[in-house]
Amino acid sequence: AQSVTQPDIHITVSEGASLELRCNYSYGATPYLFWYVQSPGQGLQLLLKYFSGDTLVQGIKGFEAEFKRSQSSFNLRKPSVHWSDAAEYFCAVGSKTSYDKVIFGPGTSLSVIP
Amino acid sequence: GAGVSQSPSNKVTEKGKDVELRCDPISGHTALYWYRQSLGQGLEFLIYFQGNSAPDKSGLPSDRFSAERTGGSVSTLTIQRTQQEDSAVYLCASSLGWGHEQYFGPGTRLTVT
Repeated sequence: AQSVTQPDIHITVSEGASLELRCNYSYGATPYLFWYVQSPGQGLQLLLKYFSGDTLVQGIKGFEAEFKRSQSSFNLRKPSVHWSDAAEYFCAVGSKTSYDKVIFGPGTSLSVIP
Repeated sequence: GAGVSQSPSNKVTEKGKDVELRCDPISGHTALYWYRQSLGQGLEFLIYFQGNSAPDKSGLPSDRFSAERTGGSVSTLTIQRTQQEDSAVYLCASSLGWGHEQYFGPGTRLTVT
């Protein structure tokens, strides 16, 4: 069965520090992978997605993620965090081959210390 | 143009009552999704529409939940005989098709008392 895990429930980083949010998935076929952000009082917004090709994907707001098939991971990174990045981050996986469910991870809450 | 809209934004209902939640997708988006987000939880996928058809309804939590989409546009999620565990934020999203970016609405916060 499909599943997505985000091992870190909550992360706190200092402004200007680098960030890596972990995402691991379990999926039988080649997946679509997504990262979404949900800021306080805001709706969900797509940061980036991986469908195929280059395994290093660039997204909005300076985020990037790397698909590692051997590790079943799709970790999100940002070299320098801004206070406005404080939000909830969700990793999600979907099927490339069928109209299958999109499975979201439980989310990682990011706090940024000024 | 306008984004995805949902109504009502908040709904408080008594246990046992039926509720209808509405989603207006972005014009031209053929795919429509419903999710549920419970307090402190991630998003739970409920159902996906391609046009007016729902290829996969197995995400619906129970037979008290149903959804329909008419005219390839507006969708309604109906919860019959609501229970307290149905309390959550119900999110709708639309996209140009499967695999394309999903645009989310602001959600409907449902509270069952």
